[in-house]
Amino acid sequence: GAVVSQHPSRVICKSGTSVKIECRSLDFQATTMFWYRQFPKQSLMLMATSNEGSKATYEQGVEKDKFLINHASLTLSTLTVTSAHPEDSSFYICSATTTGTGVGYTFGSGTRLTVV
Amino acid sequence: DQQVKQNSPSLSVQEGRISILNCDYTNSMFDYFLWYKKYPAEGPTFLISISSIKDKNEDGRFTVFLNKSAKHLSLHIVPSQPGDSAVYFCAASYFGNEKLTFGTGTRLTIIP
Repeated sequence: GAVVSQHPSRVICKSGTSVKIECRSLDFQATTMFWYRQFPKQSLMLMATSNEGSKATYEQGVEKDKFLINHASLTLSTLTVTSAHPEDSSFYICSATTTGTGVGYTFGSGTRLTVV
Repeated sequence: DQQVKQNSPSLSVQEGRISILNCDYTNSMFDYFLWYKKYPAEGPTFLISISSIKDKNEDGRFTVFLNKSAKHLSLHIVPSQPGDSAVYFCAASYFGNEKLTFGTGTRLTIIP
Protein backbone atom coordinates (compact mmCIF):
# COMPACT_ATOMS: atom_id res chain seq x y z
CA GLY A 1 0.00 0.00 0.00
CA ALA A 2 0.86 3.66 -0.09
CA VAL A 3 3.56 4.76 2.34
CA VAL A 4 4.41 8.20 3.59
CA SER A 5 7.73 8.64 5.33
CA GLN A 6 8.10 11.51 7.75
CA HIS A 7 11.27 12.47 9.57
CA PRO A 8 12.64 13.21 11.96
CA SER A 9 10.31 11.35 14.29
CA ARG A 10 11.53 13.37 17.22
CA VAL A 11 13.50 16.60 17.47
CA ILE A 12 14.56 18.87 20.28
CA CYS A 13 15.74 22.34 19.40
CA LYS A 14 16.67 25.52 21.16
CA SER A 15 14.34 28.47 21.22
CA GLY A 16 15.00 30.80 18.29
CA THR A 17 16.32 28.14 15.94
CA SER A 18 14.57 26.65 12.90
CA VAL A 19 13.57 23.06 12.35
CA LYS A 20 12.76 21.32 9.08
CA ILE A 21 10.42 18.34 8.89
CA GLU A 22 10.28 16.22 5.73
CA CYS A 23 7.37 14.27 4.36
CA ARG A 24 7.93 11.88 1.47
CA SER A 25 5.53 9.69 -0.45
CA LEU A 26 7.56 6.58 -1.14
CA ASP A 27 5.62 4.70 -3.78
CA PHE A 28 3.16 7.17 -5.22
CA GLN A 29 3.03 10.71 -6.45
CA ALA A 30 1.24 12.97 -4.03
CA THR A 31 -0.52 15.81 -5.76
CA THR A 32 -1.54 17.24 -2.44
CA MET A 33 0.05 17.11 0.97
CA PHE A 34 -1.41 18.30 4.24
CA TRP A 35 0.26 19.35 7.44
CA TYR A 36 -1.46 18.86 10.78
CA ARG A 37 -0.62 19.74 14.31
CA GLN A 38 -1.83 17.91 17.38
CA PHE A 39 -1.64 19.14 20.93
CA PRO A 40 -1.92 16.59 23.73
CA LYS A 41 -5.39 15.08 24.01
CA GLN A 42 -6.69 17.26 21.21
CA SER A 43 -7.74 16.77 17.63
CA LEU A 44 -5.53 16.94 14.58
CA MET A 45 -5.73 20.51 13.39
CA LEU A 46 -5.04 21.20 9.75
CA MET A 47 -2.34 23.81 9.35
CA ALA A 48 -1.95 24.03 5.60
CA THR A 49 -2.52 22.33 2.27
CA SER A 50 0.23 22.20 -0.28
CA ASN A 51 0.07 21.33 -3.94
CA GLU A 52 3.19 20.51 -5.90
CA GLY A 53 4.73 23.56 -7.48
CA SER A 54 2.41 26.11 -5.94
CA LYS A 55 2.19 28.08 -2.73
CA ALA A 56 0.65 26.42 0.28
CA THR A 57 -2.79 27.41 1.47
CA TYR A 58 -2.77 28.10 5.19
CA GLU A 59 -5.67 27.71 7.56
CA GLN A 60 -6.91 30.70 9.45
CA GLY A 61 -4.72 31.55 12.40
CA VAL A 62 -1.63 29.76 11.08
CA GLU A 63 1.32 32.09 10.52
CA LYS A 64 2.70 31.37 7.08
CA ASP A 65 5.94 33.21 7.81
CA LYS A 66 6.51 31.00 10.81
CA PHE A 67 5.52 27.69 9.28
CA LEU A 68 7.16 27.59 5.87
CA ILE A 69 5.89 24.86 3.58
CA ASN A 70 7.61 23.81 0.40
CA HIS A 71 6.20 21.19 -1.96
CA ALA A 72 8.96 21.08 -4.54
CA SER A 73 8.14 17.72 -6.07
CA LEU A 74 5.35 15.18 -6.24
CA THR A 75 7.03 13.10 -3.57
CA LEU A 76 8.37 15.65 -1.11
CA SER A 77 6.94 18.36 1.08
CA THR A 78 8.77 20.10 3.89
CA LEU A 79 7.57 22.09 6.87
CA THR A 80 10.06 24.48 8.44
CA VAL A 81 9.26 25.92 11.84
CA THR A 82 11.18 29.17 11.91
CA SER A 83 12.39 30.89 15.07
CA ALA A 84 10.82 28.18 17.16
CA HIS A 85 9.47 28.93 20.60
CA PRO A 86 8.34 26.60 23.38
CA GLU A 87 4.70 27.12 22.42
CA ASP A 88 5.51 25.55 19.04
CA SER A 89 6.23 22.28 20.81
CA SER A 90 3.72 19.84 19.41
CA PHE A 91 3.19 16.73 17.33
CA TYR A 92 3.27 17.49 13.61
CA ILE A 93 1.84 15.05 11.08
CA CYS A 94 1.76 15.14 7.31
CA SER A 95 -0.55 13.32 4.98
CA ALA A 96 -0.56 12.83 1.25
CA THR A 97 -3.18 12.04 -1.33
CA THR A 98 -3.46 11.60 -5.04
CA THR A 99 -7.19 11.55 -5.40
CA GLY A 100 -8.32 14.97 -4.28
CA THR A 101 -11.72 13.72 -3.24
CA GLY A 102 -11.19 13.17 0.46
CA VAL A 103 -10.27 9.53 0.05
CA GLY A 104 -6.95 7.81 -0.21
CA TYR A 105 -5.14 9.77 2.46
CA THR A 106 -1.95 8.29 3.84
CA PHE A 107 -0.42 9.72 6.97
CA GLY A 108 3.17 9.97 7.99
CA SER A 109 4.27 8.72 11.39
CA GLY A 110 4.52 12.20 12.85
CA THR A 111 7.25 14.37 14.36
CA ARG A 112 7.40 15.27 18.02
CA LEU A 113 8.93 18.75 18.26
CA THR A 114 10.15 19.99 21.61
CA VAL A 115 11.49 23.52 21.82
CA VAL A 116 13.56 24.25 24.91
CA ASP B 1 -16.01 26.00 15.70
CA GLN B 2 -15.73 22.23 16.07
CA GLN B 3 -17.57 20.87 13.04
CA VAL B 4 -16.88 17.26 13.93
CA LYS B 5 -17.35 16.19 17.50
CA GLN B 6 -16.66 13.07 19.47
CA ASN B 7 -18.31 13.67 22.80
CA SER B 8 -16.82 10.71 24.60
CA PRO B 9 -13.13 11.30 25.29
CA SER B 10 -12.72 7.75 26.54
CA LEU B 11 -14.42 4.38 26.48
CA SER B 12 -13.62 1.07 28.17
CA VAL B 13 -14.97 -2.19 26.83
CA GLN B 14 -14.50 -5.78 27.88
CA GLU B 15 -12.62 -7.98 25.44
CA GLY B 16 -14.99 -9.83 23.15
CA ARG B 17 -17.82 -7.33 23.56
CA ILE B 18 -18.90 -4.65 21.11
CA SER B 19 -17.24 -1.23 21.10
CA ILE B 20 -19.36 1.64 19.81
CA LEU B 21 -17.70 4.95 19.09
CA ASN B 22 -19.82 7.94 18.19
CA CYS B 23 -19.27 11.03 16.10
CA ASP B 24 -21.50 14.02 15.34
CA TYR B 25 -21.05 16.68 12.71
CA THR B 26 -22.62 20.03 12.02
CA ASN B 27 -21.64 20.83 8.44
CA SER B 28 -24.32 19.46 6.10
CA MET B 29 -21.90 19.70 3.19
CA PHE B 30 -19.88 16.77 4.49
CA ASP B 31 -20.50 13.76 2.31
CA TYR B 32 -17.60 11.47 3.08
CA PHE B 33 -16.63 10.19 6.48
CA LEU B 34 -13.63 8.25 7.67
CA TRP B 35 -12.46 6.57 10.84
CA TYR B 36 -8.81 6.48 11.85
CA LYS B 37 -6.99 4.65 14.59
CA LYS B 38 -4.01 6.27 16.23
CA TYR B 39 -1.39 5.04 18.63
CA PRO B 40 0.70 7.50 20.67
CA ALA B 41 3.51 9.18 18.73
CA GLU B 42 2.34 7.65 15.45
CA GLY B 43 0.34 8.91 12.51
CA PRO B 44 -3.31 7.89 12.09
CA THR B 45 -4.10 4.66 10.29
CA PHE B 46 -7.16 4.47 8.08
CA LEU B 47 -9.81 2.01 9.24
CA ILE B 48 -13.01 2.41 7.29
CA SER B 49 -14.99 5.03 5.43
CA ILE B 50 -18.52 5.71 4.29
CA SER B 51 -20.05 7.87 1.63
CA SER B 52 -23.25 9.78 2.27
CA ILE B 53 -25.07 7.70 -0.34
CA LYS B 54 -24.86 4.73 2.03
CA ASP B 55 -25.95 4.27 5.60
CA LYS B 56 -23.75 1.32 6.44
CA ASN B 57 -20.35 0.00 5.48
CA GLU B 58 -18.75 -3.13 6.81
CA ASP B 59 -15.17 -4.38 6.77
CA GLY B 60 -14.42 -7.40 8.90
CA ARG B 61 -14.90 -6.53 12.55
CA PHE B 62 -15.54 -2.88 11.75
CA THR B 63 -18.88 -1.42 10.73
CA VAL B 64 -19.66 2.23 10.27
CA PHE B 65 -23.23 3.52 10.38
CA LEU B 66 -24.29 6.89 9.06
CA ASN B 67 -27.48 8.71 10.01
CA LYS B 68 -27.58 11.75 7.77
CA SER B 69 -30.73 13.24 9.23
CA ALA B 70 -29.17 13.21 12.68
CA LYS B 71 -25.71 14.12 11.35
CA HIS B 72 -24.35 11.23 13.31
CA LEU B 73 -22.08 8.33 12.59
CA SER B 74 -20.83 5.48 14.67
CA LEU B 75 -18.11 2.88 14.47
CA HIS B 76 -18.85 -0.59 15.77
CA ILE B 77 -16.04 -3.00 16.55
CA VAL B 78 -17.05 -6.55 17.29
CA PRO B 79 -15.61 -8.54 18.86
CA SER B 80 -13.28 -6.08 20.57
CA GLN B 81 -9.69 -7.20 20.95
CA PRO B 82 -6.85 -5.88 23.16
CA GLY B 83 -5.04 -4.63 20.06
CA ASP B 84 -7.96 -2.31 19.41
CA SER B 85 -6.90 -0.15 22.34
CA ALA B 86 -6.00 3.20 20.75
CA VAL B 87 -7.41 6.63 20.06
CA TYR B 88 -10.04 6.70 17.34
CA PHE B 89 -10.73 9.76 15.25
CA CYS B 90 -13.60 10.34 12.92
CA ALA B 91 -13.02 12.71 10.03
CA ALA B 92 -15.18 14.28 7.36
CA SER B 93 -14.79 15.89 4.00
CA TYR B 94 -16.92 16.86 1.02
CA PHE B 95 -16.60 16.50 -2.71
CA GLY B 96 -14.39 19.17 -4.17
CA ASN B 97 -12.67 19.85 -0.85
CA GLU B 98 -9.63 17.73 -0.11
CA LYS B 99 -9.36 18.78 3.50
CA LEU B 100 -10.25 16.43 6.30
CA THR B 101 -11.87 17.82 9.41
CA PHE B 102 -11.12 15.66 12.42
CA GLY B 103 -13.06 15.04 15.58
CA THR B 104 -11.40 15.30 18.96
CA GLY B 105 -10.86 11.59 19.33
CA THR B 106 -12.03 8.84 21.69
CA ARG B 107 -9.55 6.75 23.63
CA LEU B 108 -10.72 3.15 23.53
CA THR B 109 -9.40 0.75 26.13
CA ILE B 110 -10.16 -2.95 25.78
CA ILE B 111 -10.10 -4.73 29.09
CA PRO B 112 -8.82 -8.33 28.88
